[in-house]
Amino acid sequence: QPQLVQSGPEVKRPGSSVKVSCEAHGGTFAFDTYAFVWVRQAPGQGLEWMGGIIPIFGPAKYAQNFQARITITADTARRTVYMELSSLRSEDTALYFCARAISDLDFWTGFSAWGPGTLVTVSS
Amino acid sequence: QSALTQPRSVSGSPGQSVTISCTGSSSDVGGYTYVSWYQHHPGKAPRLMIYDVRKRPSGVPDRFSGSKSGNTASLTISGLQAEDEADYYCYSYAGDHIFVLFGGGTKLTVL
Repeated sequence: QPQLVQSGPEVKRPGSSVKVSCEAHGGTFAFDTYAFVWVRQAPGQGLEWMGGIIPIFGPAKYAQNFQARITITADTARRTVYMELSSLRSEDTALYFCARAISDLDFWTGFSAWGPGTLVTVSS
Repeated sequence: QSALTQPRSVSGSPGQSVTISCTGSSSDVGGYTYVSWYQHHPGKAPRLMIYDVRKRPSGVPDRFSGSKSGNTASLTISGLQAEDEADYYCYSYAGDHIFVLFGGGTKLTVL
């Protein structure tokens, strides 16, 4: 199983943006053929799918709730996926996870490798 | 689009079996084989327990099994152990506009 290493906690003002990274260690798999997704959990809430990308296929797919203010990108050379969320509000305070699919070239199957989560706090 | 419907909580004694349901519609659970289940301890990374309705990743005990009938998927845990106590979430592909739905989560308590 690859290890996904996420960037550190962030504290942001309302209206600003945050960019969280997720680097895949354990380099024996073809990074650009696997789906990487972002899932968040707000305090006291359940899991929420935000979007994902298979680098070799290009454009990311986004949940409708985030479509207008999320960008997910991948840097194959750095084996890193990024999630940028703009126009932050207090409700975006959450633990943000990246995850990798269990099998390649499949966007919707299960996600077996997870990062530890990045806490994003939005507060004035 | 509403989340998939799961019971808020289930419980069982060690050694017993429990089943957690996940009800959707023909546009998600009933329409695809992309149903998976995650075990989650709050503040930790989720763990994949079942994917593609009934497949089990390596390392997941065979006490965990998945199934689907119509618009309802189920996770069954047999021979309950204390370590199974956690939140469980179902997940389903929901077509090319919604993409993905999670269930609201079920808290499993091992008595």
